[in-house]
Amino acid sequence: RKEVEQDPGPFNVPEGATVAFNCTYSNSASQSFFWYRQDCRKEPKLLMSVYSSGNEDGRFTAQLNRASQYISLLIRDSKLSDSATYLCVVNSDQAGTALIFGKGTTLSVSS
Amino acid sequence: GAVVSQHPSWVICKSGTSVKIECRSLDFQATTMFWYRQFPKQSLMLMATSNEGSKATYEQGVEKDKFLINHASLTLSTLTVTSAHPEDSSFYICSATSRGTSGSTDTQYFGPGTRLTVL
Repeated sequence: RKEVEQDPGPFNVPEGATVAFNCTYSNSASQSFFWYRQDCRKEPKLLMSVYSSGNEDGRFTAQLNRASQYISLLIRDSKLSDSATYLCVVNSDQAGTALIFGKGTTLSVSS
Repeated sequence: GAVVSQHPSWVICKSGTSVKIECRSLDFQATTMFWYRQFPKQSLMLMATSNEGSKATYEQGVEKDKFLINHASLTLSTLTVTSAHPEDSSFYICSATSRGTSGSTDTQYFGPGTRLTVL
């Protein structure tokens, strides 16, 4: 079983749409959770951390369910510039330094 | 925010040659640096963890004699791909951690990556 699993997509949506990405992780000892964004042929960039209580940053909302080992990312009012690959990332051990990446979910927003 | 640079950004080399990639933290001291590799349409895979002044810890399946890592200072780590072959062609990305405050998770900053093509 892969450590971090995501639906690879692609998700093709029109501008203004709401889209949700899901992710599951296998290591119940994982402590930190993130969503990264990666543009084509670029390095990943931190989009947001994910907290147990859920957190929101503008049009982006992240949720964590530790019992189900499930993480989600909701994007509202999609923009063309949101087109990218979204990576679900968890830490690999208690120290919280080494990151485990999912394969990513590709989003394409069209006008 | 903290900046991590990598050099070169891309390199093309002949099979059998060695390639050195540098990773620098520009405005902070990185206690730990990580090297990842990403093949097309695949996730980033951790290759090794590097702490300043000590030997790198390699992930299972990564040959330490082929991928030489040197972390001589708190701002520089190098990855040398020795006797490169076409199957080593990939996107190599480094990251560096800036120690967070007590009890907080270390923040990890990524370099822009190095695209290696071995002919």
